[in-house]
Parts: sequence; structure tokens; C-alpha cells
Amino acid sequence: KAGVTQTPRYLIKTRGQQVTLSCSPISGHRSVSWYQQTPGQGLQFLFEYFSETQRNKGNFPGRFSGRQFSNSRSEMNVSTLELGDSALYLCASSLVQTGIQYFGAGTRLSVL
Amino acid sequence: DQQVKQNSPSLSVQEGRISILNCDYTNSMFDYFLWYKKYPAEGPTFLISISSIKDKNEDGRFTVFLNKSAKHLSLHIVPSQPGDSAVYFCAAVEGGGADGLTFGKGTHLIIQP
Repeated sequence: KAGVTQTPRYLIKTRGQQVTLSCSPISGHRSVSWYQQTPGQGLQFLFEYFSETQRNKGNFPGRFSGRQFSNSRSEMNVSTLELGDSALYLCASSLVQTGIQYFGAGTRLSVL
Repeated sequence: DQQVKQNSPSLSVQEGRISILNCDYTNSMFDYFLWYKKYPAEGPTFLISISSIKDKNEDGRFTVFLNKSAKHLSLHIVPSQPGDSAVYFCAAVEGGGADGLTFGKGTHLIIQP
């Protein structure tokens, strides 16, 4: 069974641009969560989608948004990029909303 | 305010010995706890979990202990192997998962030959 797939693996953007990251969950998993990992803050919860609905959202500005499609694939978007958005963005999927989450390898975003 | 704390940023253990990684939490609403292992350039890999109704869960070389009164959990790895060298994250979640997983900042475990 294929794991969680995130694309692209690496991305370089400049301040002010926007970016879209993609996540394909494990087949059959309907819950997809996104996390940001930085050296200073560690792993922080961004948001969670279940059956195409955003169920939960972490403490991040509105520049961070996401969506989930009918096949459970998810995208997250960051608009008006700031230097501080440089981080590893991780996607995780689970069978049920509070089940064990399985992570992808992440997308490393660098904002210059 | 850190709700999940891993107070040891790093831990060095000899191969074959026991590794004990600790985690403390402050939110009494957490009712499910997980340990993840992370290698560089990879996502976290699920290791083992425990529900708040239990005080111990075992899976091969890995055992997690939960002390609810102390709001403390620990991960024991016996025996430690070189491939166990990685960063270990403790995570917790409330019933319903309203705020996703809350992670500690991780402990870098180094297994020395």
C-alpha cells in the first residue's frame, strides 16, 4: 500500500509570492492534516480536513488555507509569502479523525 | 505555552542498553498519546501509542508507559540498536482531535556502538 505522497519535495519562492503544496493520502484514508515544522517552534498543527470539510484549524494567519477533494487528496496554499514561512510542511492522513496519523516526507519550502 | 514537553533535547545510549525517552504534558484533556520517530529528510514514522485508559503498551522492543496522575509518559527501547538513532517526538490528542496532534519538540537519540 502506497504511503502519503507530498509534492513537490523542495520549493524555493520569494517574498510576496504564493505557493500550493499537494498531498495524496494513503488509499482509504479520509482525514488529512497539515503541519508546519520549524527549528524554533517544532511541529505545529495547521488544519485538518475530513470528507472535503475543514474540521479543525491551528493558530495560523488566514494566508494559510487548504482544501480537500472528493478523492481525499489535499492541497494547502500560502499567499503573500514571508521569510518566516520557510519550513518543512508535513501532511498526514488517518483512517478516522482521531486515529493514528501517517506522515508524508514533507515539502521543504524556502522563502528568499 | 507548551502543552507537551520533552525536556531532553538529546540522549546518548550505548548499543544494547535501554533507552528511556520522557515526555510531560499539561493538558488534562489529552486522552491519546503517540510516539513518532524521525530521520533527517523524512516525515515522522509512527512507533507506538497509548490510550489514557491504559498505563502500558508494548510492541516488540518498544514500550510506552503512561502515568496520568503525574501527566508523564515515557518510551522504553530495549535493547537499543544503531538504527534507533533518530529524533523521537511525543504527541498527544484530545478526544475528537479538535486541535490535531500536539507535539513535543523532540529528543535526538544517539546510539553509540
